Amino acid sequence: AQSVSQHNHHVILSEAASLELGCNYSYGGTVNLFWYVQYPGQHLQLLLKYFSGDPLVKGIKGFEAEFIKSKFSFNLRKPSVQWSDTAEYFCAVANTGFQKLVFGTGTRLLVSP
Amino acid sequence: NAGVTQTPKFRVLKTGQSMTLLCAQDMNHEYMYWYRQDPGMGLRLIHYSVGEGTTAKGEVPDGYNVSRLKKQNFLLGLESAAPSQTSVYFCASSSLSGTGPIYGYTFGSGTRLTVV
Repeated sequence: AQSVSQHNHHVILSEAASLELGCNYSYGGTVNLFWYVQYPGQHLQLLLKYFSGDPLVKGIKGFEAEFIKSKFSFNLRKPSVQWSDTAEYFCAVANTGFQKLVFGTGTRLLVSP
Repeated sequence: NAGVTQTPKFRVLKTGQSMTLLCAQDMNHEYMYWYRQDPGMGLRLIHYSVGEGTTAKGEVPDGYNVSRLKKQNFLLGLESAAPSQTSVYFCASSSLSGTGPIYGYTFGSGTRLTVV
């Protein structure tokens, strides 16, 4: 069965610091990979996704993620975080042959002004 | 374009009561899902549907039932609520492009359910 691991449960950064959130998945076949963000009190919104092609994916709000197949990883990055990036971030994976998304347990990011 | 609409947004139930959560989408998506979100556990799939009239179990289906009588609606039922079902419930929908993989889910705004 597919599974997703997010190593950092809580991250605290100052504004302008760089961000990298880890995500590893376990699945041997072809996968689709996603990062979602959930701002306080809101629903999940798609940040970026990877299906194929360039393993470096750019998303909204300056976020990017790199798919490293050999490491089963899809880490999320942002060069300079803002206070408004305070949110919970979820990595998710789905295999191409089936439609279920499996989510990681999430990483809570707190950005201090 | 409303996207995915969930009703109600908040509900408090007593143990043993029943209720139905409604999810409606106006994007003509084939696939619909119910997740529950609990602190430190991420989102866990309860049930899902790949088309009108079809449903299937997810990771945590016990204590829940679902129905997809119409393509645009996906109902989640709790027959006899338990405190362990206190959670935030999210509905989502997705669609194939016609040739391949999904392009991400669209989520509803959630239902916060408390069972006392």
